[in-house]
Amino acid sequence: DIVMTQTPLPSPVTLGQPASISCRSSQSLVRSDGDTYLSWLQQRPGQPPRLLIYKISNRFSGVPDRFSGSGAGTDFTLKISRVEAEDVGVYYCMQGTQLPHTFGQGTKLEI
Amino acid sequence: EVQLMESGGGLVQPGGSLRLSCAASGFTFRSYWMSWVRQAPGKGLEWVAIIKQDGSEKYDVDSVKGRFTISRDNAKNSVYLQMNSLRAEDTAVYYCARGFVGTTDYWGQGTLVTVSS
Repeated sequence: DIVMTQTPLPSPVTLGQPASISCRSSQSLVRSDGDTYLSWLQQRPGQPPRLLIYKISNRFSGVPDRFSGSGAGTDFTLKISRVEAEDVGVYYCMQGTQLPHTFGQGTKLEI
Repeated sequence: EVQLMESGGGLVQPGGSLRLSCAASGFTFRSYWMSWVRQAPGKGLEWVAIIKQDGSEKYDVDSVKGRFTISRDNAKNSVYLQMNSLRAEDTAVYYCARGFVGTTDYWGQGTLVTVSS
């Protein structure tokens, strides 16, 4: 199975400042079709997860443009350009390249 | 509006069984892969199982192999998770989620399964 490892955020994060979360996979996430199925999800307290980014850098419908994704191969980053109060929660990277799909352990964002 | 609503959770003794259901609405259900993902109390997300649009392909995580079975009924816009031989470590909120480009785009609110004597 592919292991996904996320780095913690310095806690707490300052409102209006940028924040960056890293995710590393134990093997390349490039699939045989040439695409890389790395996504980012946000889970606010008491809520189900919500998709933010898919295929490394594509923002899902309704996601604010302060969220962006980047990376390639085994190293990926989620960036929040200016943290807002509503961004509090846990962020997960997820790989969908190989079954079983796997998640990172989660990174908590506190303000 | 896409909606997913899980049901069937509850308290069950170790070794017991439960069948979770997820009713979908607001989209063409038969066109999407569907997944189950769980989250133990205070823990992270664990992908459990996935099923293809027509039910012809199914995959599940090793920790539930031989005990859990995913299925779907496209006529009823529903996906199911039959859980047998339940263990304490299966205690979690179980979410159903719609497949989307190698990830999951919409999630239900979840149903809590507690395995305890």
